[in-house]
Amino acid sequence: GAVVSQHPSRVICKSGTSVKIECRSLDFQATTMFWYRQFPKKSLMLMATSNEGSKATYEQGVEKDKFLINHASLTLSTLTVTSAHPEDSSFYICSARDTLGGAQPQHFGDGTRLSIL
Amino acid sequence: AQSVAQPEDQVNVAEGNPLTVKCTYSVSGNPYLFWYVQYPNRGLQFLLKYITGDNLVKGSYGFEAEFNKSQTSFHLKKPSALVSDSALYFCAVRDWGGGADGLTFGKGTHLIIQP
Repeated sequence: GAVVSQHPSRVICKSGTSVKIECRSLDFQATTMFWYRQFPKKSLMLMATSNEGSKATYEQGVEKDKFLINHASLTLSTLTVTSAHPEDSSFYICSARDTLGGAQPQHFGDGTRLSIL
Repeated sequence: AQSVAQPEDQVNVAEGNPLTVKCTYSVSGNPYLFWYVQYPNRGLQFLLKYITGDNLVKGSYGFEAEFNKSQTSFHLKKPSALVSDSALYFCAVRDWGGGADGLTFGKGTHLIIQP
């Protein structure tokens, strides 16, 4: 089945550090990838939609200069949390959808636990 | 706008008994509906989807869901629960007539299967 690899699985770093998270579709091409944030005991909140070769579409309230998204190829999207602060600590999950289109399910990575000290 | 409601934070079922996890949705057009399962500190695993066709959809691990348009529901079911089914379950919707590309998730339901 479709596999999405997310790396790293866990990051602990000091306040002010920038952190890059990678999301790769391993056995399919993904024109569209999605980035979600999940707070403890809460649902997933869509942060942005990443389209290959174009600018990401951010949801209302998500700072695009804070959360930089790059989708340079059909199998890789990256999320960079710039100058991270403790309030950015969270579980970040990416997903990818096959280029076949909107009826296809999204396939999720295993998430990245980000802890900012 | 689209939304999903999972009215139960937690569902407790004895092993071997049937289980139901409830989901209702709201979209302006026609829905794509999905169920995902999440284990601790992991991403989401796809269980099943409804696009069109038969209202009863069968998915992974023996799960199934029934689409009911009049009640705008998409409840997840399994005839006989296993302890290993214990996890967090999310219902999600996308309006295939609308412009939003991402999924809207319910808040999740913790399913606890007791031995």
